[in-house]
Amino acid sequence: ETGVTQTPRHLVMGMTNKKSLKCEQHLGHNAMYWYKQSAKKPLELMFVYNFKEQTENNSVPSRFSPECPNSSHLFLHLHTLQPEDSALYLCASSQDFGFSETQYFGPGTRLLVL
Amino acid sequence: GENVEQHPSTLSVQEGDSAVIKCTYSDSASNYFPWYKQELGKRPQLIIDIRSNVGEKKDQRIAVTLNKTAKHFSLHITETQPEDSAVYFCAPSGNEKLTFGTGTRLTIIP
Repeated sequence: ETGVTQTPRHLVMGMTNKKSLKCEQHLGHNAMYWYKQSAKKPLELMFVYNFKEQTENNSVPSRFSPECPNSSHLFLHLHTLQPEDSALYLCASSQDFGFSETQYFGPGTRLLVL
Repeated sequence: GENVEQHPSTLSVQEGDSAVIKCTYSDSASNYFPWYKQELGKRPQLIIDIRSNVGEKKDQRIAVTLNKTAKHFSLHITETQPEDSAVYFCAPSGNEKLTFGTGTRLTIIP
């Protein structure tokens, strides 16, 4: 349960706020991912980092800004969000970069935008 | 893009019976076929996976079968127990793409 950690676990923010989500992996993995999980929708891949270099941005609005200072830490900076951005944001890591790699997920941050 | 469908979307099974969930996909380049389990309020976790050079894989009560020709793979759970109640996701993927299914909510009836 401590392989991938996320903070905070819950976050309520107004549309004009700026906040950041943090993810840390203790597995020695080289790739990290951000996913969005909304009710009744599939998990949506948002960003992918390989050795702290961004390799994928799945047409995510610019109000979401990722940062990966090293291969163990990943941030998601949030600003001027919309109510429809309310969701569970999951971080994941994998041993190596590649979509055929097992994803190890964190517990998620449940975000509510008012 | 990849079109991934899971059936059924909900499934209720009597404890002790078997459950089968099917995942169909469209990308013939997919070569990795995992199943993830997400219990209520918890993170998704891999429970079993299969690579494209294998047709079936079993791990105790859980098995996955793959039909690459027909582009579908299935999760089989035998002797179901209450702790099997969860949402199950398939995520067929290849070198260029990873797509999750919409999930199947499995409820085990005691």
